Amino acid sequence: GENVEQHPSTLSVQEGDSAVIKCTYSDSASNYFPWYKQELGKRPQLIIDIRSNVGEKKDQRIAVTLNKTAKHFSLHITETQPEDSAVYFCAASKGTGGSTLGRLYFGRGTQLTVWP
Amino acid sequence: NAGVTQTPKFQVLKTGQSMTLQCAQDMNHNSMYWYRQDPGMGLRLIYYSASEGTTDKGEVPNGYNVSRLNKREFSLRLESAAPSQTSVYFCASKDRPGYTEAFFGQGTRLTVV
Repeated sequence: GENVEQHPSTLSVQEGDSAVIKCTYSDSASNYFPWYKQELGKRPQLIIDIRSNVGEKKDQRIAVTLNKTAKHFSLHITETQPEDSAVYFCAASKGTGGSTLGRLYFGRGTQLTVWP
Repeated sequence: NAGVTQTPKFQVLKTGQSMTLQCAQDMNHNSMYWYRQDPGMGLRLIYYSASEGTTDKGEVPNGYNVSRLNKREFSLRLESAAPSQTSVYFCASKDRPGYTEAFFGQGTRLTVV
């Protein structure tokens, strides 16, 4: 099955700096890569996603890049703010076809702390 | 619009007891999932139901059973709880299995003593 590795496990940055979280996946058939944010004691919520036919996607201060050849994708947060502090999870999935269609395989998470 | 609702929010069980976690969604979604979240382990899939009438095992199904009662409801049952099942359980739903957002419930914190 799919194996998703996520690094780093913890990340501390100063407010206004950028943060980068990296993930690798093992199954070349995976073609959908969402990122979820989970604040303390809350449920995970989707913040951005990317399909394998796109190399980069941006949404205001958040961007995701995908390198299909190397099987890795990254989350970039610019101009970080204290409210960005949370656990971030990457995931990989098959958006089309296959017996495991729709199953999300999650990384282990990155605790991001943004210091004022 | 309630989204995905889980009950209960907290539960303490003794080893060997059984219980059912309930999940209901009001978004008319076809696919529903049960995950467990343990510190440093991310979210691991227990069981899922790609559509009403079907269920499949995920990564960590041992010790659990599920029932897709109807399109709205997907329950998770622990027949004989063990301390290793102490975890936070999340139910999620998707409109369809493919390129769609998964919406999560608020979670159930289960402790088995």
